[in-house]
Amino acid sequence: DQQVKQNSPSLSVQEGRISILNCDYTNSMFDYFLWYKKYPAEGPTFLISISSIKDKNEDGRFTVFLNKSAKHLSLHIVPSQPGDSAVYFCAASRDTGNQFYFGTGTSLTVIP
Amino acid sequence: NAGVTQTPKFRILKIGQSMTLQCTQDMNHNYMYWYRQDPGMGLKLIYYSVGAGITDKGEVPNGYNVSRSTTEDFPLRLELAAPSQTSVYFCASSIYGTGTSLRYEQYFGPGTRLTVT
Repeated sequence: DQQVKQNSPSLSVQEGRISILNCDYTNSMFDYFLWYKKYPAEGPTFLISISSIKDKNEDGRFTVFLNKSAKHLSLHIVPSQPGDSAVYFCAASRDTGNQFYFGTGTSLTVIP
Repeated sequence: NAGVTQTPKFRILKIGQSMTLQCTQDMNHNYMYWYRQDPGMGLKLIYYSVGAGITDKGEVPNGYNVSRSTTEDFPLRLELAAPSQTSVYFCASSIYGTGTSLRYEQYFGPGTRLTVT
């Protein structure tokens, strides 16, 4: 049972434009969300996070938006750069337990 | 500061063989985790540890065992390898777990690609 879903396996964007990656979750108890970036043959690296008490968090070119009523979060990358080409995973956790639940990932390609 | 290191990087096992995947972190993190990633899937938690001497099952623990005798090391043991265990295995660590009011990201190792034939 996949509690965190990324329904777009891949996304292609022109350099300089905005990339929007989406993530949906089913468990209303989730209250902390993260995005990870993964290059081939490497482990995931942390990108940005958001707590459920917020609806937006920014870090440079990366912004995460959270819509709790829709159980949806998105990652915006502006402007997109070729080095952003990677697989992006969203993950969620709740305040009890010790587990992050990961989505299946979206492969982003930024075309120069 | 090497972060999280995993050995080996690649391994091919025959059905029924056993092996241990090694994981070491040098960040003095209390929490350590083992995940597997199958093609086209997200990461699934196998086992985790909240400190030396304490381990617990995650979402997919069958066929695996772990131990945590030190803060730094968290080896994953496969006793009787099966083709269903063909996967990429990631070890991770974090300073706090998700079950606290302080949430921190996990730091991942580079992974071990295991094939069981």
